[in-house]
Amino acid sequence: QVQLVQSGAEVKKPGASVKVSCKASGYTFTSYGISWVRQAPGQGLEWMGWISAYNGNTNYAQKLQGRVTMTTDTSTSTAYMELRSLRSDDTAVYYCARDLGRGSSSGAFDIWGQGTMVTVSS
Amino acid sequence: QSVLTQPPSVSEAPRQRVTISCSGSSSNIGNNAVNWYQQLPGKAPKLLIYYDDLLPSGVSDRFSGSKSGTSASLAISGLQSEDEADYYCAAWDDRLNGPVFGGGTKLTVL
Repeated sequence: QVQLVQSGAEVKKPGASVKVSCKASGYTFTSYGISWVRQAPGQGLEWMGWISAYNGNTNYAQKLQGRVTMTTDTSTSTAYMELRSLRSDDTAVYYCARDLGRGSSSGAFDIWGQGTMVTVSS
Repeated sequence: QSVLTQPPSVSEAPRQRVTISCSGSSSNIGNNAVNWYQQLPGKAPKLLIYYDDLLPSGVSDRFSGSKSGTSASLAISGLQSEDEADYYCAAWDDRLNGPVFGGGTKLTVL
């Protein structure tokens, strides 16, 4: 079946970096983009950015520009999201999601990973 | 403060119909498609409605979406206890150059 499986929970200190993986299966990886969405405890959803699995083009949320990098490895159908200079307000569940958009994110995410909890604490 | 505005909570009795509103502007809902998500407690969000009013495969037809101008609505008919969840709207925003979400609406089935 079509699914996205994410890496496990992480605990990081302020100023560190985290890299979360998202392995796709059950569909042609390069036919869709991947968006990353995060959710702080008790809060709503926040789009972080999008990457085309076809050509690696990216579009990052303005507030995260310079701190986030999204990449893909088509040989393993895996997407990655790295967030640097972590702060306490980066503590959140991070989701990858298959994006229905062509050429850019559409805001329509039809398959979601299970989520990865990232805790930033000294 | 979310770019898209949703009521924090709504409630209705079983078997009744409820609507959840999502208000935006010309840079998002007014010019782009709206998508709706359901998030059960402790779970990842699930796509309910995409491109304003399309139902993904496997989603119950008790859910429907509509849009008019800079506002959109999600309707749920024949409410069931398992519909209790948080619901989010989302749309591309031309000014922010990315999708934006509403703050979420908690649905309680009385």
